[in-house]
Amino acid sequence: QVQLVESGGGVVQPGGSLRLSCAASGFTFSSYGMHWVRQAPGRGLEWVALISYDGSKQYYADSVKGRLTISRDYSKNSVFLQMNSLRAEDTAVYYCAKDQGQYQLLLDYWGQGTLVTVSS
Amino acid sequence: QLVLTQSPSASASLGASVNLTCTLSSGHSIYDIAWLQQQPQKGPRYLMRLNSDGRHIKGDGIPDRFSGSSSGAERYLAISSLQSDDEADYYCHTWGTGPRVVFGGGTRLTVL
Repeated sequence: QVQLVESGGGVVQPGGSLRLSCAASGFTFSSYGMHWVRQAPGRGLEWVALISYDGSKQYYADSVKGRLTISRDYSKNSVFLQMNSLRAEDTAVYYCAKDQGQYQLLLDYWGQGTLVTVSS
Repeated sequence: QLVLTQSPSASASLGASVNLTCTLSSGHSIYDIAWLQQQPQKGPRYLMRLNSDGRHIKGDGIPDRFSGSSSGAERYLAISSLQSDDEADYYCHTWGTGPRVVFGGGTRLTVL
């Protein structure tokens, strides 16, 4: 069955960096786009980033453009989110999610999330 | 602008049925959506994809108690024979060119 397991969250100071990982299993990783979505405490879901099935295209929400970078490693069946210049408003649970296709934009499997807290 | 609107809360009694609504913004009434369930302290779970004709395709293991329908710009999630673990936040989700991935604000369902 499809499994997505996030890791790497923690407490970081404003302006700091963090790298999130998502280990995927149970499907052909190289055939699907992958996303990061976040949820601030007590708030709704906010899409963050997408990487295409072949890694050739990356897209970002305006709120994170230039600070967050999505990437993937096919040898490890993993997707990553490098987070730089972090702000208090980046505090959220970050979810890794699988696209239903190569670039369909419907998110059909989600992980359990990893909490990022940006605070001094 | 592609926007999804949901009521913040809904409630129904154990064993009863409930309908949740998601409304697409003007000019987007033909868009497909997906329904997601988020139980407390868990990641979202995909329930179904729903098109403008009301045809829905459910995710793996989603019980028959969950169904979808459509009317114009409205997309509905019906849950019958409510159980205690149906108490959750329900989000609708759609997508468009850009790319754009959009979520509604969510409806918190309380099972009385």
